[in-house]
Amino acid sequence: KAGVTQTPRYLIKTRGQQVTLSCSPISGHRSVSWYQQTPGQGLQFLFEYFSETQRNKGNFPGRFSGRQFSNSRSEMNVSTLELGDSALYLCASSTRARDSGNTIYFGEGSWLTVV
Amino acid sequence: SQQGEEDPQALSIQEGENATMNCSYKTSINNLQWYRQNSGRGLVHLILIRSNEREKHSGRLRVTLDTSKKSSSLLITASRAADTASYFCATDGPASKLTFGTGTRLQVTL
Repeated sequence: KAGVTQTPRYLIKTRGQQVTLSCSPISGHRSVSWYQQTPGQGLQFLFEYFSETQRNKGNFPGRFSGRQFSNSRSEMNVSTLELGDSALYLCASSTRARDSGNTIYFGEGSWLTVV
Repeated sequence: SQQGEEDPQALSIQEGENATMNCSYKTSINNLQWYRQNSGRGLVHLILIRSNEREKHSGRLRVTLDTSKKSSSLLITASRAADTASYFCATDGPASKLTFGTGTRLQVTL
């Protein structure tokens, strides 16, 4: 069974540009979450999508947005990039099961560098 | 914001020794999960312990959970050089949102 797949793995953008990151969850997983990891702030929750609806949102500005498609694949977009957006962006998927413990699996991440 | 702290922040041991990492959290949880992260890579899921469980084993890993103290520990027995990584605990509450600890950097030397 394939794991969580994220593309691209590495990218460099210029301040003011926008970026779109893609995530394919594990087959059968309908919950997709996004996290930002930086040396200063650690791992921070961005948002979660389930059945194409945003279910939870972290404390990030509106420049950070996402969406989920009917096949559960998800994209996140960051507009008007700032230097501080340089980070490892991690996608995670799960079944959102309650009865057996909700194991959450992560992809390899997308390294974004803003110059 | 981080859910809590992990202790120690860094740990250096020799191959064959045991490594123990501790995690504290602040609010009530449904589950607590431990992850490993090799430098520059994604998070690898190690083990999930539910709030009504006290101890769980998986291979060389042993996790304990004390909800009265809001703390958990991860024990890696007979460490190997390949165990060198950062280890994170993460808690989830009513939603699927994970809140992570600050992580422990483990260095296992030959």
